[in-house]
Amino acid sequence: KAGVTQTPRYLIKTRGQQVTLSCSPISGHRSVSWYQQTPGQGLQFLFEYFSETQRNKGNFPGRFSGRQFSNSRSEMNVSTLELGDSALYLCASSPNSGRPDTEAFFGQGTRLTVV
Amino acid sequence: TQLLEQSPQFLSIQEGENLTVYCNSSSVFSSLQWYRQEPGEGPVLLVTVVTGGEVKKLKRLTFQFGDARKDSSLHITAAQPGDTGLYLCAGAKNPGGSYIPTFGRGTSLIVHP
Repeated sequence: KAGVTQTPRYLIKTRGQQVTLSCSPISGHRSVSWYQQTPGQGLQFLFEYFSETQRNKGNFPGRFSGRQFSNSRSEMNVSTLELGDSALYLCASSPNSGRPDTEAFFGQGTRLTVV
Repeated sequence: TQLLEQSPQFLSIQEGENLTVYCNSSSVFSSLQWYRQEPGEGPVLLVTVVTGGEVKKLKRLTFQFGDARKDSSLHITAAQPGDTGLYLCAGAKNPGGSYIPTFGRGTSLIVHP
């Protein structure tokens, strides 16, 4: 069974540009969550999608957005990039997140560097 | 303000030593999970605890959930170099019908041979 796949693995962008990251969840998983990981703040929740609907959103500015397709694949977009957006962006999938013992399966992440 | 505080932030020990990592919060969680993350990889779930006072053992790792479900600890006995990694605790609440984990900043563990 294939794991969570994130593309691309590495990205270098210039301030002011926008970027789109992709995540393919484990087959059959309907919940996809996105996280930003930085040394200073750790793993911070961006948003969660379930059956193409955004179900939860973290405390990030509107420059961060996402969507989920009918096949559960998800994309996140960051517009008007800032230096502080440099981070590892992780995607996690789960069958659903309606249980407290739900396991999140993470991809390897996309390392975004903004210069 | 970090909802979950982990300590220590860094730990460097010799093979064979024991260690304990702590995860504390002022909030009550429905569950508490521990993940381990290796360089270049995403976090991998080690254990989930859901009942206050619960203790789970996974080989040399012992996990405990506080009675009030606000804190947890991870104890490793006779650490090995393969235990090296970033240990993350994550507490889950139930906003809007889904359990979204909130992560601590992690404890970076290095075990020297």
